[in-house]
Amino acid sequence: DQQVKQNSPSLSVQEGRISILNCDYTNSMFDYFLWYKKYPAEGPTFLISISSIKDKNEDGRFTVFLNKSAKHLSLHIVPSQPGDSAVYFCAAADSWGKLQFGAGTQVVVTP
Amino acid sequence: NAGVTQTPKFQVLKTGQSMTLQCAQDMNHNSMYWYRQDPGMGLRLIYYSASEGTTDKGEVPNGYNVSRLNKREFSLRLESAAPSQTSVYFCASSALSTVNYGYTFGSGTRLTVV
Repeated sequence: DQQVKQNSPSLSVQEGRISILNCDYTNSMFDYFLWYKKYPAEGPTFLISISSIKDKNEDGRFTVFLNKSAKHLSLHIVPSQPGDSAVYFCAAADSWGKLQFGAGTQVVVTP
Repeated sequence: NAGVTQTPKFQVLKTGQSMTLQCAQDMNHNSMYWYRQDPGMGLRLIYYSASEGTTDKGEVPNGYNVSRLNKREFSLRLESAAPSQTSVYFCASSALSTVNYGYTFGSGTRLTVV
C-alpha cells in the first residue's frame, strides 16, 4: 500500500524552462516531506525538504510547495539546467523519522 | 569524509546461494536502513535499526535478515537468494534529530540472482 505516489514516471523539459514535479500522499500523519535526486550508479542525495506546518520552502533554483488539504506537494526547478537530468524521488517522514518514498520521476532536460 | 560505504558494488548469485551485503557509516548516526530499488516501485524499506542493538522489519522483509553489529555497521543477509531479489540495494543512515535533512545514502549494491 503505497502512501507516497508520483504518478508521472518521466518529464522532458527544455533548458531554461520550469520543471514541475508532483507528489501525492495519503497519510495525514507525515511530519516532513523531502525531495531526493538520484543520478545513475549513485545513491539518492537530499535536495530540499518542507515541514508539514509550512506551505513553501525555497533553496536557490528549487522550491517545494505543500498543500496539506489536498495532500499534495510539488517541486519547481527554475530555470532547468542539463545537470538537473536525474530521477527525483518524493519522500515523506513519519514522527519516528522513517521515510517512505514515491516511485520516482525521470527528468530529462533538453538543450 | 566517506559517509555511508557499501560493499560489494556488484554481485551475481545463483538461486539458493547466500550472501551478506555490508554497510558502514562514519557520521555517528544512530539509525540505519536497508532499501531496495526496483523499476516503477521506488525505494522500499527492507529493515531498519533505530539504534544500536535494535532492528525492525520494514515494508518488504521476507527473505532477508539483518545484523546491527555496532553503531557504525549494519549488514543485510540473503540466506537463500531468489530471482525476485534481483535489485539495487541501498543502505542509509540518519540522525533522528535532523529528520528534515533525511538520510545519507550509500552508492548501492547491484545484485543479480540467476
